[in-house]
Amino acid sequence: AQSVAQPEDQVNVAEGNPLTVKCTYSVSGNPYLFWYVQYPNRGLQFLLKYITGDNLVKGSYGFEAEFNKSQTSFHLKKPSALVSDSALYFCAVEGGATNKLIFGTGTLLAVQP
Amino acid sequence: GAVVSQHPSWVICKSGTSVKIECRSLDFQATTMFWYRQFPKKSLMLMATSNEGSKATYEQGVEKDKFLINHASLTLSTLTVTSAHPEDSSFYICSATGLGNQPQHFGDGTRLSIL
Repeated sequence: AQSVAQPEDQVNVAEGNPLTVKCTYSVSGNPYLFWYVQYPNRGLQFLLKYITGDNLVKGSYGFEAEFNKSQTSFHLKKPSALVSDSALYFCAVEGGATNKLIFGTGTLLAVQP
Repeated sequence: GAVVSQHPSWVICKSGTSVKIECRSLDFQATTMFWYRQFPKKSLMLMATSNEGSKATYEQGVEKDKFLINHASLTLSTLTVTSAHPEDSSFYICSATGLGNQPQHFGDGTRLSIL
């Protein structure tokens, strides 16, 4: 069965520092991987996806993610964090023959000024 | 592009009331729409998948008679919570996707509070 794990409930980082939000996956076959961000009382906003091709995927708002097949990871990164990046981040994998998304448990990113 | 509108954003109603939530894709044809439920500080739980013109596919444990889903057109899906009770209080989010490898685009969610 397809699954993703986000091992950190919360990540704290100072503004201007690089940030990493971790995600590992377990899939049969080639993975379709996604990152979404959720602000309070809002829906999810699409950040980026990996389908195939370059392992480094660039997305919205300066975020990028690196697909690592050997480590089965898809960590989200940003070189310089902003206070406005503070939100809940979800990693997701598209499940099997359907296009259903299976979400991780979410990681709360807190960027301190 | 790829805007999904969800309405209403907030509903407070009495126990026993039925509540309808609308999900519209504003600038693309949504061949598939999804309905999720999110509990506080928790991940999203997929409730059902609906394809335009066909019956929704419900996830295990989700009561289809309780949560009625209609996807009558390529731009509109509705979720009706029938005879809602306090335990149905939650944040409900829809998403939509079109043809090809499009990612799911999400509405802003509906906060449902049943008194």
